[in-house]
Amino acid sequence: AQTVTQSQPEMSVQEAETVTLSCTYDTSESDYYLFWYKQPPSRQMILVIRQEAYKQQNATENRFSVNFQKAAKSFSLKISDSQLGDAAMYFCAYRPYSGGGADGLTFGKGTHLIIQP
Amino acid sequence: DTGVSQNPRHKITKRGQNVTFRCDPISEHNRLYWYRQTLGQGPEFLTYFQNEAQLEKSRLLSDRFSAERPKGSFSTLEIQRTEQGDSAMYLCASSFGANSPLHFGNGTRLTVT
Repeated sequence: AQTVTQSQPEMSVQEAETVTLSCTYDTSESDYYLFWYKQPPSRQMILVIRQEAYKQQNATENRFSVNFQKAAKSFSLKISDSQLGDAAMYFCAYRPYSGGGADGLTFGKGTHLIIQP
Repeated sequence: DTGVSQNPRHKITKRGQNVTFRCDPISEHNRLYWYRQTLGQGPEFLTYFQNEAQLEKSRLLSDRFSAERPKGSFSTLEIQRTEQGDSAMYLCASSFGANSPLHFGNGTRLTVT
């Protein structure tokens, strides 16, 4: 079974600074997807960024980027120029490639990100 | 707004009662997923549908839980004989096709007293 581990229950960063959230996962699959989702207090899960395992290049979305290390099974999220609106729970998630049968996302326990003004 | 819609947002029920939640996915999405999220945890996969077919059920989905998607559009999740351990946020998500990102609704928070 796949597992996703987020070892940082809470992180705090000053506004405008950079923060990195850690995620490791375990799988025997070679093709899969990795995601970071954000869940603000309003509770709707919002997709932040997505990485396909077969792509060597790290995904980037504006101020959000990932450091994907496939051999190490590590998938960290870097948030640059942190803004107050970035405050939320951040979940790392794994999803097998669709041909594998199991289609659901496996989530980590989340990291609570606090932005200090 | 054409996002994923879930109703009700909150449900308080007494132990032993039955409850039903509804999810309306994004209209062109053929896949629909149910997740459960307890306090301090990430969402846990319960089940998913492709069109009207329920293709996978987690072992978390006990016999008291049933989900349907009769016309391949909206879905319902019913919990029979609710227990206090069923108290959680129930999230619905939808996607277009197998490898598309999931879009989540706001969830239904269930409290069993």
